[in-house]
Amino acid sequence: EDQVTQSPEALRLQEGESSSLNCSYTVSGLRGLFWYRQDPGKGPEFLFTLYSAGEEKEKERLKATLTKKESFLHITAPKPEDSATYLCAVAWGNQFYFGTGTSLTVIP
Amino acid sequence: GAGVSQTPSNKVTEKGKYVELRCDPISGHTALYWYRQSLGQGPEFLIYFQGTGAADDSGLPNDRFFAVRPEGSVSTLKIQRTERGDSAVYLCASSFDRLRGYTFGSGTRLTVV
Repeated sequence: EDQVTQSPEALRLQEGESSSLNCSYTVSGLRGLFWYRQDPGKGPEFLFTLYSAGEEKEKERLKATLTKKESFLHITAPKPEDSATYLCAVAWGNQFYFGTGTSLTVIP
Repeated sequence: GAGVSQTPSNKVTEKGKYVELRCDPISGHTALYWYRQSLGQGPEFLIYFQGTGAADDSGLPNDRFFAVRPEGSVSTLKIQRTERGDSAVYLCASSFDRLRGYTFGSGTRLTVV
């Protein structure tokens, strides 16, 4: 059973069209949920860590929220440079379990 | 250095050969992870080091895979008798604290032909 599921797999937005990416998880005893951005040919770039339900973090056009079973990455008025794959990961034990990511394309 | 450095960036090897992949973490980072990422997939955990010791190697797929970090900084992932299924991008990440955000390197793309 997958511990981390991300949806949608791919998302195309017009520049300025706000939307949300979803990350749902099934692990218990969550020790942190992480959001990363990954550009083609690069390693994931850290964005946020969320530790408890109700927590929110913001960075420029991105806002991450966390509930007991899922996290959302809200993208407000995206720009073409926000195009990337967004990965979420949950910390459980010594490991991080990653989802398969959402590939975001922002069209000018 | 300023970031996590992985060498080589690309490696093509013949099936059955031995390869070593190197990771230079950010100076002072005690926690180090190795991950493997296949096309269209998220990174898959391989091994976690805290200092010099492998705190968790449960993600290593079989005994052909081995990793070391003898002085608590540079780490080497070693793969014996490579198989075509080993082809993937191997990512290294380091952090001061394993529950904080990790800094990833750009990875080594391994192709076994």
